[in-house]
Amino acid sequence: GENVEQHPSTLSVQEGDSAVIKCTYSDSASNYFPWYKQELGKRPQLIIDIRSNVGEKKDQRIAVTLNKTAKHFSLHITETQPEDSAVYFCAVKSLAGGFKTIFGAGTRLFVKA
Amino acid sequence: EADIYQTPRYLVIGTGKKITLECSQTMGHDKMYWYQQDPGMELHLIHYSYGVNSTEKGDLSSESTVSRIRTEHFPLTLESARPSHTSQYLCASSEYRGGTGGFEQYFGPGTRLTVT
Repeated sequence: GENVEQHPSTLSVQEGDSAVIKCTYSDSASNYFPWYKQELGKRPQLIIDIRSNVGEKKDQRIAVTLNKTAKHFSLHITETQPEDSAVYFCAVKSLAGGFKTIFGAGTRLFVKA
Repeated sequence: EADIYQTPRYLVIGTGKKITLECSQTMGHDKMYWYQQDPGMELHLIHYSYGVNSTEKGDLSSESTVSRIRTEHFPLTLESARPSHTSQYLCASSEYRGGTGGFEQYFGPGTRLTVT
């Protein structure tokens, strides 16, 4: 079945710096790659997603890049702010897995003011 | 307002009790999911459903059951609660978004369960 690895597990950056979180997956049939943000005590919420026919997608300070050949995708947050502090989960979905979405283990991001 | 609701939000119960965690969504989504998550940690899929009368087991399902009799309702039942079940339980539903072709999952607020 699909396997998703997410790195790093913890990331600490200074306010204003960039943060990058990377995920690798195993199933080449995977075609949808969302990222979720979970603030302390709250529910996970989708922040950005990308399909397999697109290499990069940007939404203000966040962007996601996808390398299908290498089977990895990354979340980029620029000009980080304290409110970016949260746990970020990558996820992968493939038609072969039905409608299951496989989540990475999460990255805890700390943005120091 | 279209949303996904979970009750109870907090539950403390003794070992051996049978409990049902409720989940309802008003978005008309076919697909629904249950996850177990220790706060801020990995999401473990327990059960999921493609639609009415359809349920599938996830990675962590052996001690619980679900039912899907109505589209909007997806309850999770623990037949005999144990201290190892102490965790947060998140319900989610998803839709197909034609524009980006994605399956965004919408999560409920969670039920925090403590088994003593």
